[in-house]
Amino acid sequence: DAGVIQSPRHEVTEMGQEVTLRCKPISGHNSLFWYRQTMMRGLELLIYFNNNVPIDDSGMPEDRFSAKMPNASFSTLKIQPSEPRDSAVYFCASSFGVNEQFFGPGTRLTVL
Amino acid sequence: GQQLNQSPQSMFIQEGEDVSMNCTSSSIFNTWLWYKQDPGEGPVLLIALYKAGELTSNGRLTAQFGITRKDSFLNISASIPSDVGIYFCAGIPNNAGNMLTFGGGTRLMVKP
Repeated sequence: DAGVIQSPRHEVTEMGQEVTLRCKPISGHNSLFWYRQTMMRGLELLIYFNNNVPIDDSGMPEDRFSAKMPNASFSTLKIQPSEPRDSAVYFCASSFGVNEQFFGPGTRLTVL
Repeated sequence: GQQLNQSPQSMFIQEGEDVSMNCTSSSIFNTWLWYKQDPGEGPVLLIALYKAGELTSNGRLTAQFGITRKDSFLNISASIPSDVGIYFCAGIPNNAGNMLTFGGGTRLMVKP
């Protein structure tokens, strides 16, 4: 029974480069969430989709961040251009309706 | 935004001891969830609570949804080394759809 799948698991890039993180939610779930986790700020919600439509993106740090959900089984989070302060672990989570969220294993991003 | 105060921030206990941690808020929450995060992994759901006063167990774990809907606690009985990790409370505030607010986490360390 596959859980939330994220790729890559680790990404190291140089400042200024474009970074794309990918997520496949659990089949049948209709809500998808992107989070960022750092030691300083803990878990922060970046954006939330319901039925592939962005509902709340107030947590997206700035215009360098964008997220898409072209279909029910795929979402991307893009950072362009990346900066060292974007270094964090990025989690994708999915849920069915107003129920518990299941998290993926995360992508550890390091921007040099 | 909504704030969840989770305490203690860290605990260092003897194997076999019982553990208790809690989360409080100044606002009403409709749902309380407890997650555990191991190093390098995403948070894993332990217990979900949906009704004020609800008491739910999952093995050695017991969690309760406070009667005021502003707090929740998690107890771990007879702790073992594999209980080590960070425990997060999370809640869905009233009128927040299914957007979770996370506590700051409790880091549990067990002395064998």
